[in-house]
Amino acid sequence: DIQMTQSPSSLSASVGDRVTITCRASQGISTYVNWYQQKPGKAPNFLIFAASSLQSGVPSRFSGSGSGADFTLTISSLQPEDIATYYCQQSYTTPYTFGQGTKLEI
Amino acid sequence: EVQLVESGGGLVKPGGSLRLSCAASGFTFSIYSMTWVRQAPGKGLEWVSFISISGSDIYYADSVKGRFTMSRDNAKNSVYLQMNSLRAEDTAVYYCASSGNYGGNNPFDNWGQGTLVTVSS
Repeated sequence: DIQMTQSPSSLSASVGDRVTITCRASQGISTYVNWYQQKPGKAPNFLIFAASSLQSGVPSRFSGSGSGADFTLTISSLQPEDIATYYCQQSYTTPYTFGQGTKLEI
Repeated sequence: EVQLVESGGGLVKPGGSLRLSCAASGFTFSIYSMTWVRQAPGKGLEWVSFISISGSDIYYADSVKGRFTMSRDNAKNSVYLQMNSLRAEDTAVYYCASSGNYGGNNPFDNWGQGTLVTVSS
């Protein structure tokens, strides 16, 4: 199985900060990485597919990059509504594993 | 508006069974793969199962293989998860999600609100 390892596990930042979350796959997976945002008590929300493509309706302050085994999710200017837990997920092969999550706090 | 509505969760004893349903609306269900993802209390997301558009290809996490069965009914715009031999570690919120084809990638693009399954004596 492909392991997805996110860092950090938690992150404290201020409004307006640039925030970067990293995700490392245990093997090369091209750009088959997706990112999700989950707010407390809510279902996950789909943000980015294929490592760097923004889903329709997602604010442009979110961006993704990477290929192979190393990926990043960046929020260019943190907003209060971005407080959530973020998950990467690989869709290269089953089982479609998720990272352990990064909890973002202000 | 895309909607996925799960039902069928509840309290069940270890070794028991439950059948989850997910009703889809607001999109062309028959051209989407579907998936189940679960989240144990206070924990992260765990992929459970995936079914292709026609239902001919179904995949499971090792943790549920042989105990869970995913199926779909395109005429009813629904997917199902039959869960047998339930264990305490299956306790979680179960989400169904659509899985669109994004240039060969299959992210989970729309999610239901989830249904809670509690396995306890």
